[in-house]
Amino acid sequence: SQQGEEDPQALSIQEGENATMNCSYKTSINNLQWYRQNSGRGLVHLILIRSNEREKHSGRLRVTLDTSKKSSSLLITASRAADTASYFCATEYGNKLVFGAGTILRVKS
Amino acid sequence: GAVVSQHPSRVICKSGTSVKIECRSLDFQATTMFWYRQFPKQSLMLMATSNEGSKATYEQGVEKDKFLINHASLTLSTLTVTSAHPEDSSFYICSAWPQGIQGDTQYFGPGTRLTVL
Repeated sequence: SQQGEEDPQALSIQEGENATMNCSYKTSINNLQWYRQNSGRGLVHLILIRSNEREKHSGRLRVTLDTSKKSSSLLITASRAADTASYFCATEYGNKLVFGAGTILRVKS
Repeated sequence: GAVVSQHPSRVICKSGTSVKIECRSLDFQATTMFWYRQFPKQSLMLMATSNEGSKATYEQGVEKDKFLINHASLTLSTLTVTSAHPEDSSFYICSAWPQGIQGDTQYFGPGTRLTVL
């Protein structure tokens, strides 16, 4: 399977703390994307990082990509209760997206 | 930003019936759309790639005769679950790949919750 793996599977933190989620994948990629999904809803695109990029920022989000280790991390700083959701990484193979297993983040207020 | 809609958002049907789910790109054209299935507390699994004007491409293990896909126009793809059974109950999500819009992002619909009794 080309599906990536994410860890942790679940993460529970206090509001204001930082949350870090990791994603690993198996083969060479064009880019890696992170998505958020609130319970029972569709996906919201957070950030895309290309294979020739190492780090990218968007607001409170910071994404890193290490192609030598075939891994990526998503850092959410100063978390808020509204950040509670599932977070998925997705790698692009050709024109297809392959999603990781996801991390369930719960931010307690 | 680009918007993708799905209809219906939620459907309950009896076992053995067929259900049609629509996926529309509202403000852009999409020659390619994708259909995913998501079981509770699991990730999204790609079912098929829908191509306007040609046959859909199905992923391994997905029955093309059970999940009929029709990409009728540059803004509409439909997924028909034929002879639905309780094990087909799932969250179905479509996405579209804009043509002519910079960036590599697929835009996702809000999903359709199918419950088969």
